[in-house]
Amino acid sequence: GEDVEQSLFLSVREGDSSVINCTYTDSSSTYLYWYKQEPGAGLQLLTYIFSNMDMKQDQRLTVLLNKKDKHLSLRIADTQTGDSAIYFCAESKGSWGKLQFGAGTQVVVTP
Amino acid sequence: EADIYQTPRYLVIGTGKKITLECSQTMGHDKMYWYQQDPGMELHLIHYSYGVNSTEKGDLSSESTVSRIRTEHFPLTLESARPSHTSQYLCASSPADDRPYEQYFGPGTRLTVT
Repeated sequence: GEDVEQSLFLSVREGDSSVINCTYTDSSSTYLYWYKQEPGAGLQLLTYIFSNMDMKQDQRLTVLLNKKDKHLSLRIADTQTGDSAIYFCAESKGSWGKLQFGAGTQVVVTP
Repeated sequence: EADIYQTPRYLVIGTGKKITLECSQTMGHDKMYWYQQDPGMELHLIHYSYGVNSTEKGDLSSESTVSRIRTEHFPLTLESARPSHTSQYLCASSPADDRPYEQYFGPGTRLTVT
């Protein structure tokens, strides 16, 4: 994931907002994604944003995209213990649909 | 919920053994992928397939091989397992030209080579 970088760890209190940050390098990426991986499971798509958008909101999730800085963030409002997981940022590479994943951010929610 | 399955979920095997990790999907997806996931969480694409009889190597070199004889099945084989192959292996699939290119993941196989 050298093309996509994320911080490795985030600790947040239950009820607070979480913000996970990601930077990417390919300015031609058409879509950017957030995937969630719970312990012992595969990845699950949480949300995605098209590259011509600045923001996308989906219930407790808000995605912000700054194309100029190649910066993507995921905000989780009212973080719950069930949100404890690893969150992966990813970008699509070319028209074939291959994804380049970041190294993942482990989010730990404390009571 | 994604209908993509991997077996076994956990495998402990001795050095030198031949193993096959199974991956099947019932969604009729053309594209399938194998990722190797480090203990430190990072995902590396090791193989992918456009469809039946198509296989390509991914970004990370791997000693494993894959085959795609049927749309729904994409097994990964290691001819001679080594401790360096110890890892989590994730299989995924996606529709042919469906943007935004969502990939559906199986639960993974955790392989330990002793």
